[in-house]
Amino acid sequence: DARVTQTPRHKVTEMGQEVTMRCQPILGHNTVFWYRQTMMQGLELLAYFRNRAPLDDSGMPKDRFSAEMPDATLATLKIQPSEPRDSAVYFCASGLLTGANTGELFFGEGSRLTVL
Amino acid sequence: GESVGLHLPTLSVQEGDNSIINCAYSNSASDYFIWYKQESGKGPQFIIDIRSNMDKRQGQRVTVLLNKTVKHLSLQIAATQPGDSAVYFCAETLKAAGNKLTFGGGTRVLVKP
Repeated sequence: DARVTQTPRHKVTEMGQEVTMRCQPILGHNTVFWYRQTMMQGLELLAYFRNRAPLDDSGMPKDRFSAEMPDATLATLKIQPSEPRDSAVYFCASGLLTGANTGELFFGEGSRLTVL
Repeated sequence: GESVGLHLPTLSVQEGDNSIINCAYSNSASDYFIWYKQESGKGPQFIIDIRSNMDKRQGQRVTVLLNKTVKHLSLQIAATQPGDSAVYFCAETLKAAGNKLTFGGGTRVLVKP
């Protein structure tokens, strides 16, 4: 049963620490999204990749956030240094999106981050 | 679980009744729309989609209606069941923008037995 896998599921850290969240997209999917879900903002798009190349990261605070796809099986979202306002659930989603097929996204279970 | 405790509009519906969830989207150029369901502690899950050249699409117990004139999308759930209790999000995308998927604010549906 193919699924998007995210680690860690839960992370509690102190302000100023580096946090790295990882995502394994579904094999064969060409597009990977990172979303952040907070109580006030709902689902915010942070960044997304097509064929491992970043397409749009305008939703991401550039000074502290970075997103990469070192290879087709791994996407990472890093926060350095972390701040309490970064506390949220971070979702990764993947899909096979082409010009003809907008397709559906498959979401992981999320990584809940708490920054103290 | 990953319950976020979102501050959302809530629709309470009696089990067996039909539910209608509404969504106003933002970009008149969007050409593809999707409804997602998010249960407590889980990631959003695809329910149904519709392209901008359609105004109605039906699935199993669900129907999506699209009114491009007023940029309005609705999701109808027939014979609502307890398992339908969740938060529902509409999302829009534009192929020319690289299929960037943008979510609306969400509606919480509570099914009363």
